[in-house]
Amino acid sequence: DTEVTQTPKHLVMGMTNKKSLKCEQHMGHRAMYWYKQKAKKPPELMFVYSYEKLSINESVPSRFSPECPNSSLLNLHLHALQPEDSALYLCASSQADRGETQYFGPGTRLLVL
Amino acid sequence: AQSVTQPDIHITVSEGASLELRCNYSYGATPYLFWYVQSPGQGLQLLLKYFSGDTLVQGIKGFEAEFKRSQSSFNLRKPSVHWSDAAEYFCAVYTGTASKLTFGTGTRLQVTL
Repeated sequence: DTEVTQTPKHLVMGMTNKKSLKCEQHMGHRAMYWYKQKAKKPPELMFVYSYEKLSINESVPSRFSPECPNSSLLNLHLHALQPEDSALYLCASSQADRGETQYFGPGTRLLVL
Repeated sequence: AQSVTQPDIHITVSEGASLELRCNYSYGATPYLFWYVQSPGQGLQLLLKYFSGDTLVQGIKGFEAEFKRSQSSFNLRKPSVHWSDAAEYFCAVYTGTASKLTFGTGTRLQVTL
């Protein structure tokens, strides 16, 4: 089973709201990733967690706050977002973070009003 | 820094025709190479990957790709395209230098009946 699940599928939020995106995998993978994808563009890496520790932060604004409560779960907490943050947010996981195949979830479509 | 080029932004083929999507990378050593497919509003699905060994790799849905070191290419092929293959295709490379997956800009495939 190579499934990564993400909830919610869609999210609409105002600029003053606080919301969270959730990602889960049960493949025993020890690396998990958040990507942001704008329309007609490739995914852009935001964060990498390796063995539940943040290993890469691609200079993402602090209004995005990742959290890895355990090896199966990855959250992305959102606060005071801007309309330009509207995008598809993809989660991925891999055995480790040394080039192993990344498996992607279906994404959360976020609209910031 | 490594880079990935997908020269064709948009390709249209007739159903039943053959397909080749081009991918070139820039990196000193042999990177890990991937092809992903993304249907509208969906996550990325892995089609195939190359790490080492046989330079012709088979993937899912009847796709194959050939690694050519001399041309720094990893082109994706399918002998007979089906209407359901219409989607966005991303080539990606992983190198230890950047410790992350670098995506090409994508090729949108349209299939005419």
